[in-house]
Amino acid sequence: DGGITQSPKYLFRKEGQNVTLSCEQNLNHDAMYWYRQDPGQGLRLIYYSQIVNDFQKGDIAEGYSVSREKKESFPLTVTSAQKNPTAFYLCASSKLAGDYNEQFFGPGTRLTVL
Amino acid sequence: RKEVEQDPGPFNVPEGATVAFNCTYSNSASQSFFWYRQDCRKEPKLLMSVYSSGNEDGRFTAQLNRASQYISLLIRDSKLSDSATYLCVVIEEMGDKLIFGTGTRLQVFP
Repeated sequence: DGGITQSPKYLFRKEGQNVTLSCEQNLNHDAMYWYRQDPGQGLRLIYYSQIVNDFQKGDIAEGYSVSREKKESFPLTVTSAQKNPTAFYLCASSKLAGDYNEQFFGPGTRLTVL
Repeated sequence: RKEVEQDPGPFNVPEGATVAFNCTYSNSASQSFFWYRQDCRKEPKLLMSVYSSGNEDGRFTAQLNRASQYISLLIRDSKLSDSATYLCVVIEEMGDKLIFGTGTRLQVFP
């Protein structure tokens, strides 16, 4: 089955620790995205990538880092510099960047920092 | 002013009712508009695109009013399974960056 997977579904970390969230897609999509969703707020874009080995900051990139070494994978690292890391993190992918194509979302990872 | 604004609700309606949501956007140069549906603690999924001429898909009708800068979603004959949060999404003039509203929660009761 084609789709986007994120793991783990729930993640708990202590304050001050870096944590990496996984996102994998087998849809052969070029573009991948990371969003965070907080209660009462819309999804906010953290980072996105249109092609392997290239990525751009979104609206709230501070305290996060990404890599895009493979087309299928776009891991997100939440660093200790992120002041409020507890949130629902959603990864998405789309077929072609620069021209709108539907973004398909993974099931999300709920990160709780204790 | 937020880029995309929605009434958070909740809208509580009985089965069979017709319900409508509006969403306003601030950038008059916005090009593309969509409604996504998000079930509780799940990922958003595309419900429908919104075209200038309006768009109907079964019980769902989406419309765009460029002059007043809002889009609407009408749901007829509401089902229990329609209970979800409906996210308004706008793409601005350049690129493929999606701007999400905070969502409108719909609860359909028996």
